[in-house]
Amino acid sequence: AQTVTQSQPEMSVQEAETVTLSCTYDTSESDYYLFWYKQPPSRQMILVIRQEAYKQQNATENRFSVNFQKAAKSFSLKISDSQLGDAAMYFCAYPTEKLVFGKGTKLTVNP
Amino acid sequence: GAVVSQHPSRVICKSGTSVKIECRSLDFQATTMFWYRQFPKQSLMLMATSNEGSKATYEQGVEKDKFLINHASLTLSTLTVTSAHPEDSSFYICSAGRGSNQPQHFGDGTRLSIL
Repeated sequence: AQTVTQSQPEMSVQEAETVTLSCTYDTSESDYYLFWYKQPPSRQMILVIRQEAYKQQNATENRFSVNFQKAAKSFSLKISDSQLGDAAMYFCAYPTEKLVFGKGTKLTVNP
Repeated sequence: GAVVSQHPSRVICKSGTSVKIECRSLDFQATTMFWYRQFPKQSLMLMATSNEGSKATYEQGVEKDKFLINHASLTLSTLTVTSAHPEDSSFYICSAGRGSNQPQHFGDGTRLSIL
């Protein structure tokens, strides 16, 4: 069964700085997707970025990018130029017939 | 705009009351929807998979008689918390997707408080 591990329960970053959130996963599949979701205090679940495993190029969405290391089964999220609005819980997720979530990382952005 | 609508967003009611939560996919048909429960500072816990036209698939440890799921159409799934008690107080959130391996779109969630 697929598993997703986020080893950082909490992280903090200074406004305008860069932070990287880690995620590792386990799967026997060769072709799959991976997602990062953001859950701000409003508790909405917002898709931040997605990566397709067969694409070697790392996905990028504005200030958000991933470092996808397929062999290492690592899928970290980098947030550049951090903003106060980036403060949230971040969940790494692996889709199968359902979504498998990591336990989440709480990101605090300090002004 | 939102592609999944969840209603109500907040419910406060007395112990013993049954509470119905609706989840609608607004611009696509969803043969499968998902219901999650989230405790404070924790990840989403999948409760059940709602299947259009058939019985829901419940995760281990989730009482199907307590949490009734109906998926009567391709755009609507409902979760009914029957005879709710204070321990059922939680944040419930639904999701739907356009297919396997596609991102799930989430409703805004329902905060349920049982007095």
